[in-house]
Amino acid sequence: QKEVEQNSGPLSVPEGAIASLNCTYSDRGSQSFFWYRQYSGKSPELIMFIYSNGDKEDGRFTAQLNKASQYVSLLIRDSQPSDSATYLCAVIKDSSYKLIFGSGTRLLVRP
Amino acid sequence: DARVTQTPRHKVTEMGQEVTMRCQPILGHNTVFWYRQTMMQGLELLAYFRNRAPLDDSGMPKDRFSAEMPDATLATLKIQPSEPRDSAVYFCASGRRTGKTSSEQYFGPGTRLTVT
Repeated sequence: QKEVEQNSGPLSVPEGAIASLNCTYSDRGSQSFFWYRQYSGKSPELIMFIYSNGDKEDGRFTAQLNKASQYVSLLIRDSQPSDSATYLCAVIKDSSYKLIFGSGTRLLVRP
Repeated sequence: DARVTQTPRHKVTEMGQEVTMRCQPILGHNTVFWYRQTMMQGLELLAYFRNRAPLDDSGMPKDRFSAEMPDATLATLKIQPSEPRDSAVYFCASGRRTGKTSSEQYFGPGTRLTVT
């Protein structure tokens, strides 16, 4: 079992729709959770982080964390073609400060 | 606009040659990470430093890879000798550990290495 699991996609949504990206993690002691966006040929870009159960909103992005279910998600409202990228979920599972990445979900937003 | 810088951006070399990659972390960040990304393995952590001290290099092949941080503004990753299987994109990231859970990491643009 991988430590951080994501569906590889592609997830295809029409422009203006809500894109929902999901991630599960195996270590119940995980403390910090991150979403990175990576365009093809570019480096990962941090877009959201969440440390506590519940929702965290930043503009069109909402991160949701459910530690009991070991589940973290990213919602993108009013999806734009420019949101088309690979979204990487990452977890810090202990005090080591080491990020463990999922393999990423490719999102395609159709105009 | 503070950002992590990396040099070179691209490197093509022959098998057996030494490769050195450099990273300048964001000013004020006390933690530096080296990652490698391939299609097959995804993003893998190779090594990381806090306050210039190496904390974990368990992800690195010890016989050929070495990572150092000679000062707060420079981190290096060396491969000697290089092999074709080392072909990948190598990312440096930096962060500022300000509390138990404050631990965001910011990535540089990467070095795309091709070993022939």
